[in-house]
Amino acid sequence: QSVLTQPPSASGSPGQRVTISCSGSTSNLGSNTANWYQQLPGRAPKLLIYSTNQRPSGVPARFSGSKSGASASLAISGLQSEDEAYYHCATWDVSRNAWVFGGGTQLTVL
Amino acid sequence: QVQLVQSAAEVKKPGASVKVSCKTSGYTFSNYGVTWVRQAPGQGLEWMGWISPHHDDTNYAQKLQDRVTMTTDTSSRTAYMELRNLRFDDTAVYYCARAEGYCSRGTCYSGYSDSWGQGTLVTVSS
Repeated sequence: QSVLTQPPSASGSPGQRVTISCSGSTSNLGSNTANWYQQLPGRAPKLLIYSTNQRPSGVPARFSGSKSGASASLAISGLQSEDEAYYHCATWDVSRNAWVFGGGTQLTVL
Repeated sequence: QVQLVQSAAEVKKPGASVKVSCKTSGYTFSNYGVTWVRQAPGQGLEWMGWISPHHDDTNYAQKLQDRVTMTTDTSSRTAYMELRNLRFDDTAVYYCARAEGYCSRGTCYSGYSDSWGQGTLVTVSS
């Protein structure tokens, strides 16, 4: 049972816009920024979004993040087949003094 | 470029210990700590803990703190994670990752993990 809640799956057609949600509580997303990782099948996670809406160098502008209260969202516009992967949200939990993750969302490009 | 290279896969019996290494390069080792995260088959990511590059200050996940030890060797730029008294549900891919952080008055805080190792599969089987 993950501390952060994500939908187990999402899907979209090439070129469409897809959003993935991540909900938490006041002790985690409600008081800290959101981070998102992309994990291709059989590969290590890769940092996609940090500090809620910042993209590391090399991550396309098609990926964007936002947060409101204790919920965060990852949006992917202009969906491409190579975006098919698992997406994990993560943040610091002040009550646990630990990082917490969502269960991951499997994105399928139809 | 930043690289974290982990040791090879391991198969262990229940009750045994495993020690996974993570050799780093491409950045100033003393400026970043190392986070360890694991992923059981078909499951999500689980944070195990973080170790500072200074004085080996650590912050372990509460559920693992009795069985896990994280260390670093500054001279070889390598981090280690040892997990003792292995159980079947410890079977997972173990990842190391670079993360900034700091410790104050016995409490450590770590930031997001920005570069990851390739993962080490640890299988616990009788």
